[in-house]
Amino acid sequence: GAVVSQHPSWVICKSGTSVKIECRSLDFQATTMFWYRQFPKQSLMLMATSNEGSKATYEQGVEKDKFLINHASLTLSTLTVTSAHPEDSSFYICSARASGRGLETQYFGPGTRLLVL
Amino acid sequence: GENVEQHPSTLSVQEGDSAVIKCTYSDSASNYFPWYKQELGKGPQLIIDIRSNVGEKKDQRIAVTLNKTAKHFSLHITETQPEDSAVYFCAASRYNFNKFYFGSGTKLNVKP
Repeated sequence: GAVVSQHPSWVICKSGTSVKIECRSLDFQATTMFWYRQFPKQSLMLMATSNEGSKATYEQGVEKDKFLINHASLTLSTLTVTSAHPEDSSFYICSARASGRGLETQYFGPGTRLLVL
Repeated sequence: GENVEQHPSTLSVQEGDSAVIKCTYSDSASNYFPWYKQELGKGPQLIIDIRSNVGEKKDQRIAVTLNKTAKHFSLHITETQPEDSAVYFCAASRYNFNKFYFGSGTKLNVKP
């Protein structure tokens, strides 16, 4: 139980294009989903917290117009990197917090590696 | 806000030995402490967690201890195996808060 998937697992795109990453909770409902960014050999950096049906809360320094987050249902959240540039290349990981069980725990997806050329 | 420090940054042990990773936190209101294992190129996987009303929790070869007074908690892995090699992250959180504060990570290398 508590499986979170991400799609795609990796993506290469040209500079200036937009990329959408999906995060799904497969066997539970997630009232809250989180998006992290991780640089090589570093810890997880929280980008934003999204609650189903409401606007995402972004961490300080994260551009909300560049990283669009939508949490349309209890099992799906999307992160869209708009007008991507090489500096946006990174490992993006989502996590989901289960509603009704283990509320304090986050279950992570497998991550999406983004390379912007 | 909360600040979580993790040590050591790298740890190398011989197969069969024990490994201990330590974390300290600053916010006395934090009351939930999970540990995650991250293998190369993958997302973090929850391996064990502990709440502040418990001093120790064990799951087979893995245990976590918590000292609320000193505000530190530790991960103990006994009888290490090569497949334990990974990066381990500790985190601290309040129950009603969404946010997890992560440590900087420990790269564990178990030598066969």
